[in-house]
Amino acid sequence: QKEVEQNSGPLSVPEGAIASLNCTYSDRGSQSFFWYRQYSGKSPELIMFIYSNGDKEDGRFTAQLNKASQYVSLLIRDSQPSDSATYLCAVLNSGGYQKVTFGIGTKLQVIP
Amino acid sequence: NAGVTQTPKFRILKIGQSMTLQCTQDMNHNYMYWYRQDPGMGLKLIYYSVGAGITDKGEVPNGYNVSRSTTEDFPLRLELAAPSQTSVYFCASSSRGAAYEQYFGPGTRLTVT
Repeated sequence: QKEVEQNSGPLSVPEGAIASLNCTYSDRGSQSFFWYRQYSGKSPELIMFIYSNGDKEDGRFTAQLNKASQYVSLLIRDSQPSDSATYLCAVLNSGGYQKVTFGIGTKLQVIP
Repeated sequence: NAGVTQTPKFRILKIGQSMTLQCTQDMNHNYMYWYRQDPGMGLKLIYYSVGAGITDKGEVPNGYNVSRSTTEDFPLRLELAAPSQTSVYFCASSSRGAAYEQYFGPGTRLTVT
């Protein structure tokens, strides 16, 4: 059973602060990692993907991957109230061609 | 582009009834997926398709069936609905497969009572 673990939160940060969201996964052979954002009552939308060890930056978002530790994180700089949502970590299974395992998501609250 | 559309948005079924959840995409994507999302649980893959005429089981296929006769459409069939199938169902599509971005539809909220 391939697992993706996230703290469900809520994680509360003040506006303008850095939000740090974390995820661990069990499938050591995984090669593709994703962060989706899901607003309440809406569908998930991709905000970041990362394939290589290290950091990947896109605007205010930075994804970090450490395959040795089986750990993925998402940093949101200058957090805004509009960033308040649930962030889903997702990992492509190594043995299942089209199978992605999602975490339960971390709920982020940005306090104005 | 409408993207991925799903119908209906909401549905209440009685135990034992059947229904089809519709999913259509207008992006000419070969890869399509059905997920369910329960409170406090991650998205679970039900079925997926890599092209017209080709489907395969995901993590939680029991109680469901799919077909893929066209590139655009990927309906999900529930036979003999059970309370355990109460969930939010999302359809998704991708141009290059699950290693890349998936585009999700708005979801169908299903209640079985």
